[in-house]
Amino acid sequence: EAEVAQSPRYKITEKSQAVAFWCDPISGHATLYWYRQILGQGPELLVQFQDESVVDDSQLPKDRFSAERLKGVDSTLKIQPAELGDSAMYLCASSLHRGLIDTQYFGPGTRLTVL
Amino acid sequence: GQQVMQIPQYQHVQEGEDFTTYCNSSTTLSNIQWYKQRPGGHPVFLIQLVKSGEVKKQKRLTFQFGEAKKNSSLHITATQTTDVGTYFCAGPDTGNQFYFGTGTSLTVIP
Repeated sequence: EAEVAQSPRYKITEKSQAVAFWCDPISGHATLYWYRQILGQGPELLVQFQDESVVDDSQLPKDRFSAERLKGVDSTLKIQPAELGDSAMYLCASSLHRGLIDTQYFGPGTRLTVL
Repeated sequence: GQQVMQIPQYQHVQEGEDFTTYCNSSTTLSNIQWYKQRPGGHPVFLIQLVKSGEVKKQKRLTFQFGEAKKNSSLHITATQTTDVGTYFCAGPDTGNQFYFGTGTSLTVIP
């Protein structure tokens, strides 16, 4: 069964450093999402791509976070500089269709710890 | 801003007891989706409801979408230890902004 791949699975960094996370969605999925999940809370949508275009980044802290999906396939989420409050699980998900959000398939996530 | 609240936040049940989690949105949702996240895992899609008043069943799980499309519930009959995890409702509002609920963590005591 096809899965969403993410790397790295774990990342420890010091504050003010730059970090990057990679996501490879299920082949053929048009829509890709990046979420941040703080322990004990529900996932919070950071950015949504439809193909290579951003359709929603209203919750993305743009002063330090950036995301791209240049060829409409895999995607990178970057944080620069990292802050202590960025410690969380970063989840990537993909869905088949464009338009209204339907079933999302999640990757295993990247656990970020900022020291 | 938009909020999707779930109650209870935590629920401990004896194996074999029933369990219900309730989801309430501050605004109308286009559809409601339910996900299960096992401890240490990632959310896994369970089901999607689209129509007002819709009810769907998956074995021991019953899902309902409210008439006003602002609330939903998940009921599990005769819980098993494999039901352990956090259950999230989620959905897009009419502006297609997507929100997850706060989640209900279920513990099943053997």
